[in-house]
Amino acid sequence: GEDVEQSLFLSVREGDSSVINCTYTDSSSTYLYWYKQEPGAGLQLLTYIFSNMDMKQDQRLTVLLNKKDKHLSLRIADTQTGDSAIYFCAESMYGGSQGNLIFGKGTKLSVKP
Amino acid sequence: GAGVSQSPSNKVTEKGKDVELRCDPISGHTALYWYRQSLGQGLEFLIYFQGNSAPDKSGLPSDRFSAERTGGSVSTLTIQRTQQEDSAVYLCATRTGNTGELFFGEGSRLTVL
Repeated sequence: GEDVEQSLFLSVREGDSSVINCTYTDSSSTYLYWYKQEPGAGLQLLTYIFSNMDMKQDQRLTVLLNKKDKHLSLRIADTQTGDSAIYFCAESMYGGSQGNLIFGKGTKLSVKP
Repeated sequence: GAGVSQSPSNKVTEKGKDVELRCDPISGHTALYWYRQSLGQGLEFLIYFQGNSAPDKSGLPSDRFSAERTGGSVSTLTIQRTQQEDSAVYLCATRTGNTGELFFGEGSRLTVL
């Protein structure tokens, strides 16, 4: 069945880079997403990547996709205390408004000043 | 409204009681999802509505859980004879047809005593 795995915790110092890793099992996944959840709030989309891409960069965020190994990573450059949150990886076979997204358990990022 | 609205934001109930959780989606979003977020368990898919199609109920954990979506808009998640293990945050999300991004509400926190 479909499964998405993430490490549960990551702690970094302010100004360092953070790398959050994710593995998924469904090779037919077409869309891969990173969501951010701040305390007491719902999830917000950070970025996404299509499976025919290897990398996507968006300001301080870099997403790397290794489709062969089914491995997705999110790198946050110059991590700030405001980046402290839970980060969820998610996969979907479909874009648009079709089908379901399968989420990992989330990685709690703690940024120390 | 501008975003996904959920009510109540907090609900405390006694074991064995029924509860209803409401989701007001973003206007025009045809796809609506319910997820459950328990401590340390990430997001668990419950049910998905897409337009007039039959809903995907494959994630509902037991027959005590049901959901409906009236007129393709507001959705209600009902939990009958609540149990303590039902305690969680119930998140509603709607989906756009472009990137496939999910827009989440802030959730309804359910506590079953």
